[in-house]
Amino acid sequence: KAGVTQTPRYLIKTRGQQVTLSCSPISGHRSVSWYQQTPGQGLQFLFEYFSETQRNKGNFPGRFSGRQFSNSRSEMNVSTLELGDSALYLCASSLEGRLYSEQYFGPGTRLTVT
Amino acid sequence: GQNIDQPTEMTATEGAIVQINCTYQTSGFNGLFWYQQHAGEAPTFLSYNVLDGLEEKGRFSSFLSRSKGYSYLLLKELQMKDSASYLCAVRPNTGFQKLVFGTGTRLLVSP
Repeated sequence: KAGVTQTPRYLIKTRGQQVTLSCSPISGHRSVSWYQQTPGQGLQFLFEYFSETQRNKGNFPGRFSGRQFSNSRSEMNVSTLELGDSALYLCASSLEGRLYSEQYFGPGTRLTVT
Repeated sequence: GQNIDQPTEMTATEGAIVQINCTYQTSGFNGLFWYQQHAGEAPTFLSYNVLDGLEEKGRFSSFLSRSKGYSYLLLKELQMKDSASYLCAVRPNTGFQKLVFGTGTRLLVSP
């Protein structure tokens, strides 16, 4: 079974631009979560989607948004990019219906804002 | 909210045993997870604990004490490939699949 895939793997953007990142979960996984990883803050939760609905959101500004499609694929969007948005963005999927299910992470998208 | 603490860095020798501690403060709790992350790679799941006690998986074991807000990851028979960051994460009881991560412990295994 294929793992979580994320595209693109690397991205360089300029301050003020916007960016869209994509995530395809493991087949059969309906929950998709997004995390931001930086050297100083570690992994921080952005949001979680299930059945095309956002059901949990972290403490990030409204510039960060996402959505999920009927096939469980998810996208996240960051508008008006700031230098501090430079980070590794990780997507994780999990099998719903099991309270203690683990999350499987994709390889991430490395975003650099200049 | 949640507050999770782990040591920043540890060193150990090949073949030895190392214990990585994690303490947490949380208003609600639905399990504690350990992930391994090699440099430049995605985190991979190692273990989770829901109830107090020890869970063993080959060379890796994880322990949980909910009353003390304490967990540890025990790595036995260390190998060079175990050099990585080890992330402790708590699943709050209001967060569905959300995980709250500590900043991670970087383990360096030397020959």
